[in-house]
Amino acid sequence: AAGVIQSPRHLIKEKRETATLKCYPIPRHDTVYWYQQGPGQDPQFLISFYEKMQSDKGSIPDRFSAQQFSDYHSELNMSSLELGDSALYFCATQSTGEYNEQFFGPGTRLTVL
Amino acid sequence: GDSVTQMEGPVTLSEEAFLTINCTYTATGYPSLFWYVQYPGEGLQLLLKATKADDKGSNKGFEATYRKETTSFHLEKGSVQVSDSAVYFCALSGYQGGSEKLVFGKGTKLTVNP
Repeated sequence: AAGVIQSPRHLIKEKRETATLKCYPIPRHDTVYWYQQGPGQDPQFLISFYEKMQSDKGSIPDRFSAQQFSDYHSELNMSSLELGDSALYFCATQSTGEYNEQFFGPGTRLTVL
Repeated sequence: GDSVTQMEGPVTLSEEAFLTINCTYTATGYPSLFWYVQYPGEGLQLLLKATKADDKGSNKGFEATYRKETTSFHLEKGSVQVSDSAVYFCALSGYQGGSEKLVFGKGTKLTVNP
């Protein structure tokens, strides 16, 4: 069965650079969630989209932005990267027909040097 | 806001031992409850879930019962295996703020020795 795809899987950037993370949902999934997991931490909700509109916002820095496109894939754009942005970034997708169940991608590991 | 309090580890057991990881929650409304497992270097996998009070979620020998009266969702397994070594996260979701975002506990690292 098709799963959630995230790219790239690993990314190394310097401080103050920008990064773009991509998430491709399971077919027919219309909702995307982004989570950030710092080293040894629990995942923290960043932002979500439903039908290409932002539906909720969590602890996402102003330096970050995201959007969902017409094919339902989503991109998380991160600018002016800081050392503290080093983390595992997950996206999870959901279908309104599959109440409550989010399917997670494998994550993108971002390292900021 | 909603929150999840989870027994913190690490927890070290011998193979075939009984496992309990405690999880309690605070939420408005009627959240759904989940246990996720994360193996080293991998993403989050849904282990089991329960969507209403007294529901029991089960999978791969793991069980958890949604207890509304004690606001708990403890994870249990009768006989753990080495392959169960991972980090376990308790989580809840409820429609709040415009989405069904997940709120996670801090995670419990389980190591099972042969």
